[in-house]
Amino acid sequence: EVQLIESGGGLVQPGGSLRLSCAASGFSFSDFWMHWVRQAPGKGLVWVSAIYNDGTRTNYADSVRGRFTVSRDNAKNTVYLQMSSLRAEDTAVYFCASPPSTSVADPFFFWGQGTVVTVSS
Amino acid sequence: EIVLTQSPGTLSLSPGQRATLSCRASQSVRNNYLAWYQQKPGQAPRLFIYGYDTFNRAPGIPDRFSGSGSGTDFTLTISRLEPEDFAVYYCQQYGSSPQTFGLGTKVEIK
Repeated sequence: EVQLIESGGGLVQPGGSLRLSCAASGFSFSDFWMHWVRQAPGKGLVWVSAIYNDGTRTNYADSVRGRFTVSRDNAKNTVYLQMSSLRAEDTAVYFCASPPSTSVADPFFFWGQGTVVTVSS
Repeated sequence: EIVLTQSPGTLSLSPGQRATLSCRASQSVRNNYLAWYQQKPGQAPRLFIYGYDTFNRAPGIPDRFSGSGSGTDFTLTISRLEPEDFAVYYCQQYGSSPQTFGLGTKVEIK
């Protein structure tokens, strides 16, 4: 059974930092792209970031580029999202998702349950 | 980036009726790389339909769901609504970077 389990969310002040984790199991994690998607309260889905299977390629949405860093540890089957200089508009549920595919152009068959990030003073 | 516009925002229908959801792209979507997801409150999205030239149902998705369209105009059709189908549906294009989602169509019980 495929599982993606996010953790690390919480309440953080504007300008602060947070690191999200997504632990994967049940599929060949180290072979595939991994993505982060977020959803602000009552809003739609927004793609945030992606990382290639070996970590050599990363992509970011314009809204987070320069503030967020995606990374992965294939030995731990885990992908991370380091978030810094957080803003109120970063408040959202953050989902990790996987195609699973070696192509960046594939839909997301697997999703985690999400972790909540709240940026507020 | 490609902007996806979904319509209507809300669709009020009764079980057994046919639902037709629209997703219009601001530019042509390469190879029909367009997907539809269902999301229920408090849950993660679930992939229902995905396109690679033709449209396919994801594993476990019943055949009352179908996708169609090309270029900039796409449709998700639910032939006969079941109680479990009332939810929000999002389209996504994954043919151009960045991948983008529409704002969703809520299918509610009339």
